[in-house]
Amino acid sequence: GAGVSQSPSNKVTEKGKDVELRCDPISGHTALYWYRQSLGQGLEFLIYFQGNSAPDKSGLPSDRFSAERTGGSVSTLTIQRTQQEDSAVYLCASSFLPSSDFAEAFFGQGTRLTVV
Amino acid sequence: AQSVTQLDSHVSVSEGTPVLLRCNYSSSYSPSLFWYVQHPNKGLQLLLKYTSAATLVKGINGFEAEFKKSETSFHLTKPSAHMSDAAEYFCVVSASYTGGTASKLTFGTGTRLQVTL
Repeated sequence: GAGVSQSPSNKVTEKGKDVELRCDPISGHTALYWYRQSLGQGLEFLIYFQGNSAPDKSGLPSDRFSAERTGGSVSTLTIQRTQQEDSAVYLCASSFLPSSDFAEAFFGQGTRLTVV
Repeated sequence: AQSVTQLDSHVSVSEGTPVLLRCNYSSSYSPSLFWYVQHPNKGLQLLLKYTSAATLVKGINGFEAEFKKSETSFHLTKPSAHMSDAAEYFCVVSASYTGGTASKLTFGTGTRLQVTL
């Protein structure tokens, strides 16, 4: 597609329920990132994919959070047993990483998650 | 390890006056540095990037930034602020993992720029 697409754009869920957030990166982009932005806060790194593998998942806040990427394309971030502190905007970004340079990351519009 | 510090959480300038948003970084490897802008209810947009070519980098909308290795700084400037520049600005550092081309983007906490008449 033309840009990074995230769905849903908004999600309201009850505390304790599981949610799944989806990210469609730009076609051909090998790197994919998930970030979380809480109200009035900066961007908090969650996990990074290179292809289908995740060399850095150090930002996942607890074992309730997991992510996968299949076919080197679509990624899903799953939050189990959601808590109110999980409420935030979840941002996905992708970039193309040639072997000798750093490329910019293109961000999606985000999924606003509200846990009530 | 890498980190980035944005020294001001909020900056207010008058329209037509210069803008200075400060950023200092720390990186174990040769870094790439970026500035992103986030307008209210909009997605993040790249303003400019430094990737070890020229130390003075020009970006969109009249912004520029200078990489100073001795000061580990990458401050963002603009000669004359416009009302439309009001937004949140993020300084970002990226450095290669050892042995590969993988990179992780580390964001600063952001600087909110307010532009007044």
